[in-house]
Amino acid sequence: EAGVVQSPRYKIIEKKQPVAFWCNPISGHNTLYWYRQNLGQGPELLIRYENEEAVDDSQLPKDRFSAERLKGVDSTLKIQPAELGDSAVYLCASSAIGQGISPLHFGNGTRLTVT
Amino acid sequence: AQKVTQAQTEISVVEKEDVTLDCVYETRDTTYYLFWYKQPPSGELVFLIRRNSFDEQNEISGRYSWNFQKSTSSFNFTITASQVVDSAVYFCALSEVNTGTASKLTFGTGTRLQVTL
Repeated sequence: EAGVVQSPRYKIIEKKQPVAFWCNPISGHNTLYWYRQNLGQGPELLIRYENEEAVDDSQLPKDRFSAERLKGVDSTLKIQPAELGDSAVYLCASSAIGQGISPLHFGNGTRLTVT
Repeated sequence: AQKVTQAQTEISVVEKEDVTLDCVYETRDTTYYLFWYKQPPSGELVFLIRRNSFDEQNEISGRYSWNFQKSTSSFNFTITASQVVDSAVYFCALSEVNTGTASKLTFGTGTRLQVTL
């Protein structure tokens, strides 16, 4: 089974520039998450999708961040404009509906550096 | 609010030593799930174990074992006879149960384990 695929692996941009990250979840996983991980910290949830619907985006800075999950499969997370404080690793994860709470399966992440 | 505390920032051991990673959590929920994830240098978070709040049995999987004590709100992780390949950052996480299916994980700050020869 292929895992969660994210691209790009690394991204370096200047502040005020836009940037986008892409995620392809595990086939059949209806729930998709975007997490942000700052250096030396644990991941923090930005947004959670169930199929195409964003069911929890309370932690997403909506003034500059946006996300979409068209057709309930792939997802894109965008930052416009980027700020220095956005430098972090952006992790995508997916999980399946099943018995109880399914574990999240994470991708390798996109390391963003804003200069 | 939910909170996970991993007080050990970094642990260094020599190969074949046993090591325990501590995890203390806070929640007002009576039903919740606890997880441990491993993050090797490649960056991917690898799922290790899931435990629900009603199951306090300890679990052993090879060299890994987990001790869940609800009375002290702890979910500690022990690696027996550590190996260099165990070197990674380990995260403890707590999940609320609201939809019955999806997890909203609250992670601790992680413990970096360094195993040397």
